[in-house]
Amino acid sequence: DTGVSQNPRHKITKRGQNVTFRCDPISEHNRLYWYRQTLGQGPEFLTYFQNEAQLEKSRLLSDRFSAERPKGSFSTLEIQRTEQGDSAMYLCASSKAALNTDTQYFGPGTRLTVL
Amino acid sequence: SQQGEEDPQALSIQEGENATMNCSYKTSINNLQWYRQNSGRGLVHLILIRSNEREKHSGRLRVTLDTSKKSSSLLITASRAADTASYFCATGVPTKAAGNKLTFGGGTRVLVKP
Repeated sequence: DTGVSQNPRHKITKRGQNVTFRCDPISEHNRLYWYRQTLGQGPEFLTYFQNEAQLEKSRLLSDRFSAERPKGSFSTLEIQRTEQGDSAMYLCASSKAALNTDTQYFGPGTRLTVL
Repeated sequence: SQQGEEDPQALSIQEGENATMNCSYKTSINNLQWYRQNSGRGLVHLILIRSNEREKHSGRLRVTLDTSKKSSSLLITASRAADTASYFCATGVPTKAAGNKLTFGGGTRVLVKP
């Protein structure tokens, strides 16, 4: 049990709908990451927070995607006007900042299916 | 694009045998991490090796790192059916902006037959 939780675990939605996912990191971790994983591939980085500040966003994160971490604790990832290509597993990870040893602990993921 | 590439893409062995998988990467790194993922689930951290380390052990796992060849290997000794999973290497290049953004390879799918 890594301690990172994600909700919901599964989401099925119709194309064009908005969806929001939540990630609760390990409590003392100040860093939070979102990744996306499609079938048969490794995860790809989407965005990163240190405390409440969003410090980097991947080019994969189109303007339909927005992520927040308002109080530096839990984070939400919202996808607006979903497309079938958004179907994937969305993974959240957290870590405690440490020089050169930033081990990330992953949650179970939210599997999104866009019909 | 993915930084690391695992080899082989798939591996099938008998319980009790050793499993070896390799990872190659392209750019300089500060550390390399190996993760395991059971089907449809999140990733479990296995081991982190820093760029100034050459070998690391954890239980039945042995990881090597050769920064001159930009490659790493993961050895699982005395495999068990429960080791059946996908294994990913991930390289981390800490930057002020990106924390320790990980770049993953495509993974090696390991099947351990009882």
